[in-house]
Amino acid sequence: GAGVSQTPSNKVTEKGKYVELRCDPISGHTALYWYRQSLGQGPEFLIYFQGTGAADDSGLPNDRFFAVRPEGSVSTLKIQRTERGDSAVYLCASSETRNTGELFFGEGSRLTVL
Amino acid sequence: GDSVTQMEGPVTLSEEACLTINCTYTATGYPSLFWYVQYPGEGLQLLLKATKADDKGSNKGFEATYRKETTSFHLEKGSVQVSDSAVYFCALRSQGAQKLVFGQGTRLTINP
Repeated sequence: GAGVSQTPSNKVTEKGKYVELRCDPISGHTALYWYRQSLGQGPEFLIYFQGTGAADDSGLPNDRFFAVRPEGSVSTLKIQRTERGDSAVYLCASSETRNTGELFFGEGSRLTVL
Repeated sequence: GDSVTQMEGPVTLSEEACLTINCTYTATGYPSLFWYVQYPGEGLQLLLKATKADDKGSNKGFEATYRKETTSFHLEKGSVQVSDSAVYFCALRSQGAQKLVFGQGTRLTINP
């Protein structure tokens, strides 16, 4: 069965460029999460969607970061004017409506900003 | 705010050794507690969970008991295998919240 799919798996960009990272959740999962994981650290929460709406975006570090989920399935994390400090692995996870705390994670998109 | 602290790694053991990875938390109310595992080349996956005090979560020979009095959720296994080599993350979810808060992770390597 298909798990959470994230593309690209690797992205190298230059400082100041715009980046989009895509997440395709498990079919039927209404909740979708974005996390960021820096080297040697645990995942850090960015944003949570329930359906199409962002129910909690308290983890977005600043207004350069934005995420959408227009049809309640695929989500895109958008980063404007990238900085070297944005380099990390960006993780996407999804879960069922009935939130048992079990999140299903993708393998992540590794972003490197030169 | 809510936080999770794990014992620092990396941890290296021989096969069949006994394992404990310490985890303590800070949260208001009664959070749910989780251990997630990340095997090489794979995404994080749930290993076990406990949703109330004194509950014991278990899976694949691993166990952890939710201790409210010590705000701890230590991961234990009596006899580790090479296939247990992975990064282990302790996490909590506060009452009424949806997001998980993770610890920094502990890398475990088991040598044959």
